[in-house]
Amino acid sequence: DAGVIQSPRHEVTEMGQEVTLRCKLISGHNSLFWYRQTMMRGLELLIYFNNNVPIDDSGMPEDRFSAKMPNASFSTLKIQPSEPRDSAVYFCASSLGGARGNTIYFGEGSWLTVV
Amino acid sequence: QKEVEQDPGPLSVPEGAIVSLNCTYSNSAFQYFMWYRQYSRKGPELLMYTYSSGNKEDGRFTAQVDKSSKYISLFIRDSQPSDSATYLCAVTQGGSEKLVFGKGTKLTVNP
Repeated sequence: DAGVIQSPRHEVTEMGQEVTLRCKLISGHNSLFWYRQTMMRGLELLIYFNNNVPIDDSGMPEDRFSAKMPNASFSTLKIQPSEPRDSAVYFCASSLGGARGNTIYFGEGSWLTVV
Repeated sequence: QKEVEQDPGPLSVPEGAIVSLNCTYSNSAFQYFMWYRQYSRKGPELLMYTYSSGNKEDGRFTAQVDKSSKYISLFIRDSQPSDSATYLCAVTQGGSEKLVFGKGTKLTVNP
């Protein structure tokens, strides 16, 4: 089983540029999560989808951030325009969609640096 | 007050020591409690999960929940250098997939 696949693993970009992070879910999973991890704030949920529908986007910082699921196995997180304070590790995770949250599997993260 | 508080450490112990990691939470509606382990430059992976108060054991690991004091613990017996990682507690309400994480405690087990 390939696990959750994220790309790119590392990205360095200049302030103002658009950043697109990509995620492929584990086959058969129907819930998709985007998390952001920083030293200051720890691991924070940005948005999550169930069956391609956004369920909770209350963690999305502002309008510069947007997330989509164009199909059941793929998602993108876009930041436009990017700012230095967006520098963080962005994790995608997926689950079978159970209510207990005990089957959430994380990808290895996309390390973003905005200079 | 943050929903989940966790001492970030770092915590350094000799091999073979018993390790105790702890979190407190503020919302009594949380019913499911998890511990994730995160190795350096990797994603978190689920280590233990418990429902409501009580203990759960898995090999060298024991997860403990005390809902009356809103306190959750992870004990590691006979700690090994391979246990060196950041440990994150996470909580969620029943019926929700939205996990709230502690900031994590960085553990180093020295050979």
